[in-house]
Amino acid sequence: QVQLQESGPRLVKPSQTLSLTCTVSGGSVARGGYYWGWVRQHPGKGLEWIGYIYYSGETFYNPSLKSRLNISLDKSKNQISLRLNAVTAADTAVYYCARSEVGESSPQDYWGQGTLVTVSS
Amino acid sequence: DIQMTQSPSSLSASVADRVTITCRASQSITTYLNWYQQKPGKAPNLLIRGASTLESGVPSRFSGSGSGTDFTLTISSLQPDDIATYYCQQTYNTPQTFGQGTKVQIK
Repeated sequence: QVQLQESGPRLVKPSQTLSLTCTVSGGSVARGGYYWGWVRQHPGKGLEWIGYIYYSGETFYNPSLKSRLNISLDKSKNQISLRLNAVTAADTAVYYCARSEVGESSPQDYWGQGTLVTVSS
Repeated sequence: DIQMTQSPSSLSASVADRVTITCRASQSITTYLNWYQQKPGKAPNLLIRGASTLESGVPSRFSGSGSGTDFTLTISSLQPDDIATYYCQQTYNTPQTFGQGTKVQIK
C-alpha cells in the first residue's frame, strides 16, 4: 500500500520560500512508471495542479507557478520536495503530495493527507 | 489551459435518488477525464479514470461516461456516505486542470 506524508513549516512569511517534503512508503520514487507531484487547494476552493517529477528528474510545472517553482526528488530518502519562492497570501492553501501513474489518463491515484500552509507575517 | 466546467455547483437529493453531474471541457480531451470524491478535511479520492473505468473498491453505483468535451458522473442510488464534493479533472495535457466541484447533499 503506497503512502505519502507531507511535512514542512505550516507558517511562511510573505516574500519567503515555501518548502515541503513528501516521504513515500510502499513505493519508490527511483523507479519508472509513476510521476510524483503536488496539488494544492485554497481554503474553501477547488483543486490546482502544481506539477510533478519523473524518476529521471524530468519535471512538468503549471505555467502559472513555473517562475517560482522547483520540484525535486531524493532517491536515497525516497522523498520529493516542493519549493515555491516569493510567496504571497495567495499561496495559502492545503498542499497535497500525490502519485500519478504514467500512461493514459494519469490520474492522481494515491494522495497524502495534505498540509495547510499559511502565508502571513 | 483547458477549462473544465462542472454543473451543477451543488445539488440536494434524497437517498436512493439517481444523481448526475456533468463536466464540460473547453476543447476535446478524448477520454482523458478523471473523477474524484472529496470529503471535508480529507484528500480527494479517485473514483473513475479514463472517463469510464471504475477504480478498484469504488461502489458500482458510481459510473462515468462521455468523450470529447462532454462527460457525466452518475450515482445510480445516492447513499448517505456519498455526501461529498466531486471534481472532474482533465489530464489530456499540462497543466492538468480541475472543474470547480459539485457539492452533493442529502435532502
